[in-house]
Amino acid sequence: AQSVTQLGSHVSVSEGALVLLRCNYSSSVPPYLFWYVQYPNQGLQLLLKYTSAATLVKGINGFEAEFKKSETSFHLTKPSAHMSDAAEYFCAVNTGFQKLVFGTGTRLLVSP
Amino acid sequence: GAGVSQTPSNKVTEKGKYVELRCDPISGHTALYWYRQSLGQGPEFLIYFQGTGAADDSGLPNDRFFAVRPEGSVSTLKIQRTERGDSAVYLCASGQGFSDTQYFGPGTRLTVL
Repeated sequence: AQSVTQLGSHVSVSEGALVLLRCNYSSSVPPYLFWYVQYPNQGLQLLLKYTSAATLVKGINGFEAEFKKSETSFHLTKPSAHMSDAAEYFCAVNTGFQKLVFGTGTRLLVSP
Repeated sequence: GAGVSQTPSNKVTEKGKYVELRCDPISGHTALYWYRQSLGQGPEFLIYFQGTGAADDSGLPNDRFFAVRPEGSVSTLKIQRTERGDSAVYLCASGQGFSDTQYFGPGTRLTVL
């Protein structure tokens, strides 16, 4: 069965610093991978998705993620954090059985 | 265009009562999904509809939970004899199916007293 592990329930960065949110997946078949962001009291918004077309995926708001099969990882990065990036981030995997399997989330805190 | 909408946004009920949660998907989306998000956790899959039929209901926790989508558009999640452990945010998503992006609604926060 597929699963997702997000290392670090909380990540703190300063405004302008690099953002790195970690995601490792487990899947017996080639996965589709997603990053979603959730702002307080809102639903999930898609940041980016990997569907095997390219290993480096660019998303909205300056975020990108790289699929590394050898490391079973799909880490999310952004070169320079903004205050508005403070939110909860979820990595998810879909192996073709329709349902998304989510990690437990990482809360990103951005300080001035 | 309009996104996924869910009503009500908040629902407070007493233990043992029956509740219905409604989801209006994006127009034209054939797939509809329900997830449940408990405090501090990621969303957990409940059920998936393709058209009018439930293609996968493996995530429903027990027979108190039931969902319908009679005309292939709006869906209702029904919970009988609610328990305090049912308190969570219930999220609905829609898409074109298979591994297409799922677009989420704002959720319904259910509180069972």
